[in-house]
Amino acid sequence: QVQLVQSGAEVKKPGASVKVSCKASGYTFTSYGISWVRQAPGQGLEWMGWISAYNGNTNYAQKLQGRVTMTTDTSTSTAYMELRSLRSDDTAVYYCAREVGSGSVWFDPWGQGTLVTVSS
Amino acid sequence: SYVLTQPPSVSVAPGKTARITCGGNNIGSKSVHWYQQKPGQAPVLVVYDDSDRPSGIPERFSGSNSGNTATLTISRVEAGDEADYYCQVWDSSSDHPGVFGGGTKLTVL
Repeated sequence: QVQLVQSGAEVKKPGASVKVSCKASGYTFTSYGISWVRQAPGQGLEWMGWISAYNGNTNYAQKLQGRVTMTTDTSTSTAYMELRSLRSDDTAVYYCAREVGSGSVWFDPWGQGTLVTVSS
Repeated sequence: SYVLTQPPSVSVAPGKTARITCGGNNIGSKSVHWYQQKPGQAPVLVVYDDSDRPSGIPERFSGSNSGNTATLTISRVEAGDEADYYCQVWDSSSDHPGVFGGGTKLTVL
């Protein structure tokens, strides 16, 4: 079955960086894009950006431009999201999700989520 | 960027029908997707392309989209349907294509 498995929880200090991994299985990795979505405690879903697993093209949310980098390793079917210069308001659960659809795009399935806590 | 507006909460008795709305400017011209999220779990797709259901999603879940409002309808509501529900569109003409509504908490009375 199609599955995305993410790396474990992280605790970081303000100003540090975090890199979250998302390992895909059950489908041809390069045939779909991956989006990253985060959810602050008690809040809604926030789209962070996407990466094409086919050619590595990316599109980042403007508010994260300059701090986020999304990459893929096709040899291991793994996507990565790195966020730098962490602040307390980056504390959130970070999800990866496979992009599906052509004209429109939806997300299915999602990874289990990775809690990133930013605290001094 | 495109804005989607959902009511913060909807309450319904078991066995009744719940309707969760998602408002946006001329949203009827876009494809709307819906996710269910239970506490401590990742979101799960329940409706895509306005009204299609992924395999494994009960027929009780349906969707519609017209004008400025898309609607997720849950018929014969069960206690297990209590969750947060999010609508989503992909605004390909925008530099911020991935857009979610603020979410609606469905409470089963």
